[in-house]
Amino acid sequence: KAGVTQTPRYLIKTRGQQVTLSCSPISGHRSVSWYQQTPGQGLQFLFEYFSETQRNKGNFPGRFSGRQFSNSRSEMNVSTLELGDSALYLCASSGNLETQYFGPGTRLLVL
Amino acid sequence: AQSVTQLDSHVSVSEGTPVLLRCNYSSSYSPSLFWYVQHPNKGLQLLLKYTSAATLVKGINGFEAEFKKSETSFHLTKPSAHMSDAAEYFCVVSAGTGNQFYFGTGTSLTVIP
Repeated sequence: KAGVTQTPRYLIKTRGQQVTLSCSPISGHRSVSWYQQTPGQGLQFLFEYFSETQRNKGNFPGRFSGRQFSNSRSEMNVSTLELGDSALYLCASSGNLETQYFGPGTRLLVL
Repeated sequence: AQSVTQLDSHVSVSEGTPVLLRCNYSSSYSPSLFWYVQHPNKGLQLLLKYTSAATLVKGINGFEAEFKKSETSFHLTKPSAHMSDAAEYFCVVSAGTGNQFYFGTGTSLTVIP
């Protein structure tokens, strides 16, 4: 089975712009979670989607949003980018057994 | 509420010596616990998981962890460190349904040749 894929792998944006990141889960997995990883804050949960519905949400501002499509692929969007949004964004997919399988991440740099 | 405390931010061992990475957890539920490893500029790879079956869990690459409810611990061990084990290790507790993971702050493992 192919693993979790994330695109793009690297991204450079400027403050005020918006960005969309994409995640394709493992085939058959219906749950997709998103995490932000920074040196200062570590790994923080953004949100989780299951069958196109947001099931859980972390403590991030409304500038961070996501969605999931009928094929379980997910996108997350960050609007009005700030310097502090520079991070590695990780996507994870999960089937019925709770274990999350992570993609390689998208590294976002905001200038 | 769920939380994880990784007791050491950095651990340094010599190649061929045992590895011990410590993790304590707090959970309102019967927890699921995981260890993940992250090599530089890579995503997270699952090492092992505990989900209320055997308390001693064997994972990949010779790692294992023991669930001790009385001590609320889930320490990761390996009998003999290899250079390729140098990485960041994360202990994770799951709240159960809904798949929300709570990560520890990570332990950076250095292996000295």
